[in-house]
Amino acid sequence: DTGVSQNPRHKITKRGQNVTFRCDPISEHNRLYWYRQTLGQGPEFLTYFQNEAQLEKSRLLSDRFSAERPKGSFSTLEIQRTEQGDSAMYLCASSLVGPSYEQYFGPGTRLTVT
Amino acid sequence: GDSVTQMEGPVTLSEEAFLTINCTYTATGYPSLFWYVQYPGEGLQLLLKATKADDKGSNKGFEATYRKETTSFHLEKGSVQVSDSAVYFCALSDRITGNQFYFGTGTSLTVIP
Repeated sequence: DTGVSQNPRHKITKRGQNVTFRCDPISEHNRLYWYRQTLGQGPEFLTYFQNEAQLEKSRLLSDRFSAERPKGSFSTLEIQRTEQGDSAMYLCASSLVGPSYEQYFGPGTRLTVT
Repeated sequence: GDSVTQMEGPVTLSEEAFLTINCTYTATGYPSLFWYVQYPGEGLQLLLKATKADDKGSNKGFEATYRKETTSFHLEKGSVQVSDSAVYFCALSDRITGNQFYFGTGTSLTVIP
């Protein structure tokens, strides 16, 4: 098992550009989660999928943020029209459904918006 | 809404000292509680968990007991090592559905020789 992987690890973009991040979960995990983490703060939940269904998206930060998991395997998180305030670490995690839903995290993608 | 409150850091201890990091929670349902650790330059790792009242989670010498009456899940270790230097996060999720994920702000621990 290779764990949760995320690509790219770092992304620098100019304000107004669109960016897309990819997450590959642990293969047998059917839940996949996205978080944002800013300096000195804990992870902030954004959205999650169970298989290909997006079960919670009300906590996405704005309508510029969207996520997909088309075949229930990898997922992408897109940010449109990036702003400097979007600079943060974006974390992906995966888990099984039950019994304790413990999540396993990837290394994160660090986004810098200039 | 649900939330997790951790003691503010940073915490600096000498090697072999006793560690307590306080965590309290607010939840409308029946949460599972977790401690995650983030070592410098690495991703978050699950340290321990407890899924119901009075459960004690333990791992690598760390312990935390789920106290429903005080809505707390304090992290303890009897004798810290330099290698325990990291940021520690308390977290909760709904025990039944696995939804409602909330993390605390993290507590930075530095252990000096």
